[in-house]
Amino acid sequence: DVKVTQSSRYLVKRTGEKVFLECVQDMDHENMFWYRQDPGLGLRLIYFSYDVKMKEKGDIPEGYSVSREKKERFSLILESASTNQTSMYLCASRGTLTGSYGYTFGSGTRLTVV
Amino acid sequence: GEDVEQSLFLSVREGDSSVINCTYTDSSSTYLYWYKQEPGAGLQLLTYIFSNMDMKQDQRLTVLLNKKDKHLSLRIADTQTGDSAIYFCADLYNAGNMLTFGGGTRLMVKP
Repeated sequence: DVKVTQSSRYLVKRTGEKVFLECVQDMDHENMFWYRQDPGLGLRLIYFSYDVKMKEKGDIPEGYSVSREKKERFSLILESASTNQTSMYLCASRGTLTGSYGYTFGSGTRLTVV
Repeated sequence: GEDVEQSLFLSVREGDSSVINCTYTDSSSTYLYWYKQEPGAGLQLLTYIFSNMDMKQDQRLTVLLNKKDKHLSLRIADTQTGDSAIYFCADLYNAGNMLTFGGGTRLMVKP
C-alpha cells in the first residue's frame, strides 16, 4: 500500500524555535506539497516541489521554507515559530504519470506553538 | 485563479441519503475528486470523476457532474454514523498537476 508518512502526529513548540516537519513518500512521486488546514479556511497551499531541489511558493509561504534534497523527502521549516502558525499541517504527493489518482495525503501533524 | 466552493455544513439522519454539493470555475478541469477527512486525520481519496463523464457510481457513493453548470455532487446512500467527517471536493487544473480544494463540508449523521 502506498504511503505518505509525516514524522509526528502532534508537536508542541515554543515561540521563536526553529521547527522541522518531515514528510516521506514511498511512491517515487515527483510532486510533493505542504498545506496547512485551519477551521473555516480549508486547505491552503504553503509550498510545493515538482522535483529534487526544486520548490515553488504556494498561496501562504510567509514564515516558512522548504527543503527537498531527496525525491522521497519534503521538509517544511518554520524558521522562527509564532503562535499564528499553530495549525494542522498536511503533506501530499502526486506522480506526474498517476493520471486520475489525485494526491495521496499523510495523516497530518498538529502543531501547537506556545 | 480557480475557485471551488462548498457549503460548510450538512446534517442528516442515519439511513437517509446525503448530498454534498460543490461548484468550480475552471472549465478546463480534467478530473474532479472527493476526499474524506475523519477527525484528527489526513485526507483520504473517496472517489473521482473524469470531466467527460456525467455520473460515476461506487457502492454507496454516486458522483454527478454537470459540466455546463460546473457543479459536482456526492450522494451517499444509507448514510451511517461512520460517514460523519469533513468532505472536500477538489479540481485538477494547471496542466494537470495542481489540485484546488473547496473549503470542506462537515457532514454530521444523527442516530
